[in-house]
Amino acid sequence: NFMLTQPHSVSESPGKTVTMSCTRSSGSIARNYVQWYQQRPGSSPTTVIYEDNQRPSGVPDRFSGSIDSSSNSASLTISGLKPEDEADYYCQSYDMWSHWVFGGGTKLTVL
Amino acid sequence: EVQLVESGGGLVQPGGSLRLSCAVSGISVSKTYMAWVRQAPGKGLEWVSVLYGDGTTYDADSVRGRFTVSRDDSKNTLYLQMTSLRVEDTAVYYCASPITMIAAWGQGTLVTVSS
Repeated sequence: NFMLTQPHSVSESPGKTVTMSCTRSSGSIARNYVQWYQQRPGSSPTTVIYEDNQRPSGVPDRFSGSIDSSSNSASLTISGLKPEDEADYYCQSYDMWSHWVFGGGTKLTVL
Repeated sequence: EVQLVESGGGLVQPGGSLRLSCAVSGISVSKTYMAWVRQAPGKGLEWVSVLYGDGTTYDADSVRGRFTVSRDDSKNTLYLQMTSLRVEDTAVYYCASPITMIAAWGQGTLVTVSS
């Protein structure tokens, strides 16, 4: 099976843009859709990106997702950072048996 | 508005059983992809089970043979029957319809397995 590796933490200032990565250890990142989940402190997770680059209803367009086959990674980009974006972000994809695989999560700090 | 409300968590001894419920409104559980995800204290998210609209289910290796996901279409409710519970199953359990334009997650229910 494969792993999804995320940086432990990233930080950026309000109003700036941050990009966090999710690297697949084996097999093509493009083979299976990637989702991104946001979890604010003390709250349930929410979906911010599904199927690589789709935003659920209500998610602002400051959030975008992409896939880069050259680095075998997915990325979540948040532009115009706001204090409320401070949260843990998890990427998720599927293995060949349709089982979910989660990344370890990235803690975003908005300085 | 889509709402998911979990219930059924609590304290149970190792080896015991528990059934979690997830009452759903705003979408039909029979026509969407539902999942259970858990989070141990201070840890990341861990996938547990999924149930497709056509009835297909998949379970994580860590729970296969012990946990069973099901639904009651008449009650629009998702269930997670948990048996042979272990200390390492202690976590907040979330139900979700996470991969859709109207993605939604519940508030979670805490399961504590301890003697």
